[in-house]
Amino acid sequence: KAGVTQTPRYLIKTRGQQVTLSCSPISGHRSVSWYQQTPGQGLQFLFEYFSETQRNKGNFPGRFSGRQFSNSRSEMNVSTLELGDSALYLCASTRHLNTEAFFGQGTRLTVV
Amino acid sequence: AQSVTQPDIHITVSEGASLELRCNYSYGATPYLFWYVQSPGQGLQLLLKYFSGDTLVQGIKGFEAEFKRSQSSFNLRKPSVHWSDAAEYFCAVGSQTGANNLFFGTGTRLTVIP
Repeated sequence: KAGVTQTPRYLIKTRGQQVTLSCSPISGHRSVSWYQQTPGQGLQFLFEYFSETQRNKGNFPGRFSGRQFSNSRSEMNVSTLELGDSALYLCASTRHLNTEAFFGQGTRLTVV
Repeated sequence: AQSVTQPDIHITVSEGASLELRCNYSYGATPYLFWYVQSPGQGLQLLLKYFSGDTLVQGIKGFEAEFKRSQSSFNLRKPSVHWSDAAEYFCAVGSQTGANNLFFGTGTRLTVIP
């Protein structure tokens, strides 16, 4: 059974650009969440989607957005990139709303 | 507001020695509790979880954790550490409205000495 798949694994972008990251959850999982991991702030929750609806959102600026498709795949977008957006972005999926979360390998975003 | 404290930033143990990683949480109701492990440059792997029931939970790779409500703790233990256990360990708390909205501790980096 395939795990959570995140693409791409690595990205280098320039300040001011925008970026889209993709996450394919485990088959049958309907909830997808996104997290940002940085050395200074640690692991921080970005947002959670279930059945194409955003259920929760973390304390991030509006430049960070996401969506979920009918097949449960999710994308997150960051517009007007800043140097501080450099991070490992992790996606996690759960089968239902109250079951454990499984994480992907992450996308390493570097903003230069 | 929920919070998770991992008081030990870095722990060094000898291979074969026992291990205990501390985790304290703050949450208004009965939480969902998790331990995850992360190797450098990798994602998070779930070691074990507590939702309800037996307060001593067993996980993968020989790890176990005990939920102590009176102490708001969920410490991770392993009786004999292997060199491959060297990694970063994260304690996390989730709400009963959904375990895919997790609040993480700052992590404990484990070094294993041969």
